[in-house]
Amino acid sequence: AQSVAQPEDQVNVAEGNPLTVKCTYSVSGNPYLFWYVQYPNRGLQFLLKYITGDNLVKGSYGFEAEFNKSQTSFHLKKPSALVSDSALYFCALRGGRRALTFGSGTRLQVQP
Amino acid sequence: DAGVIQSPRHEVTEMGQEVTLRCKPISGHDYLFWYRQTMMRGLELLIYFNNNVPIDDSGMPEDRFSAKMPNASFSTLKIQPSEPRDSAVYFCASSLSPGSNQPQHFGDGTRLSIL
Repeated sequence: AQSVAQPEDQVNVAEGNPLTVKCTYSVSGNPYLFWYVQYPNRGLQFLLKYITGDNLVKGSYGFEAEFNKSQTSFHLKKPSALVSDSALYFCALRGGRRALTFGSGTRLQVQP
Repeated sequence: DAGVIQSPRHEVTEMGQEVTLRCKPISGHDYLFWYRQTMMRGLELLIYFNNNVPIDDSGMPEDRFSAKMPNASFSTLKIQPSEPRDSAVYFCASSLSPGSNQPQHFGDGTRLSIL
């Protein structure tokens, strides 16, 4: 069975500081990993994905994610947080199944 | 690109009534997914279709739930009879074939409240 864990319900960071939102996964075979963001009263929006190749993936709005196979992690990062980054972030995994398995979500709060 | 369109955005109805949620996927996408989001259970996959055919409905909670996709541009999720525990936000998403590892595109959801 495949699974995704987001160990932090909430992450607080000051504007201008770097941010990290953590994600670990479990799957047999090669993982295909995604990050999505959800703003209030909106659907999930795709940020970035890792399929193969370079372990550092760059995505929308200045976000990037680092794939680490030995630690089975795919942490989302941004060098300098903005207040407008405050939202709910979901890590997702596609393994053998065609559908995505989503983590429980992490609420990012960026303080001015 | 119009995106995935869901209707209605909000639905409030009484227990026992039939509820129908609608979704128009992005043109050309051959996969369609229905999800439910609650505080307690997070984001759950209910069912998904490929080329209008249901592929995996193992997430459908009960026989009260049914989903159809009569053509490539329209899908419905029906609850009959509805119960208060069905209250949630229901999302529809579509994508190109996952074999190409294309992301899913989500609609803005239907917020359902069963009184």
